[in-house]
Amino acid sequence: DARVTQTPRHKVTEMGQEVTMRCQPILGHNTVFWYRQTMMQGLELLAYFRNRAPLDDSGMPKDRFSAEMPDATLATLKIQPSEPRDSAVYFCASGLGGNYGYTFGSGTRLTVV
Amino acid sequence: GQNIDQPTEMTATEGAIVQINCTYQTSGFNGLFWYQQHAGEAPTFLSYNVLDGLEEKGRFSSFLSRSKGYSYLLLKELQMKDSASYLCAEGNTPLVFGKGTRLSVIA
Repeated sequence: DARVTQTPRHKVTEMGQEVTMRCQPILGHNTVFWYRQTMMQGLELLAYFRNRAPLDDSGMPKDRFSAEMPDATLATLKIQPSEPRDSAVYFCASGLGGNYGYTFGSGTRLTVV
Repeated sequence: GQNIDQPTEMTATEGAIVQINCTYQTSGFNGLFWYQQHAGEAPTFLSYNVLDGLEEKGRFSSFLSRSKGYSYLLLKELQMKDSASYLCAEGNTPLVFGKGTRLSVIA
């Protein structure tokens, strides 16, 4: 089965450090999303790309978060500097939409201490 | 913009039928997704409705009424493994999810 691959699976870091999360979308999928999930807020959209072009990153704190898609096989989400309130599970999802749906990666569980 | 509402929690008995409702308000409709998420795991795609009516997939069915901004997910012959969160999302891009309904199946 094709899958969306996210690395790392877990990350513990100290406040103020830079964090980079990576996502390899499924080959051929033209849309890539980054979501953050916490118990309180549920799944929040951070950013998304279509055909590698960023279309919406209004859900991201711009001063510390950045999302890029340097090529069709890699999407990155960076946090610099990280803060304890960034602790969450970060999911990447890719797909074509419609009846095909979107496929989620296994997520990166981030803990900022 | 989009506004999606689902009940926060539901409990049902093994072997029973449960209906999880979702209402949405959107400026432009592009289908309705349902996802299942087990604790500690990623959401997985269950169904997509773009036309009014009921779509059946084994024990799971999904219904849509576009005029009412309403959908439901119907789970039949409940099993313990169906205990999970069920997330509704309106299909405009970007895909925005409701907070999800946590279903507990009890013996």
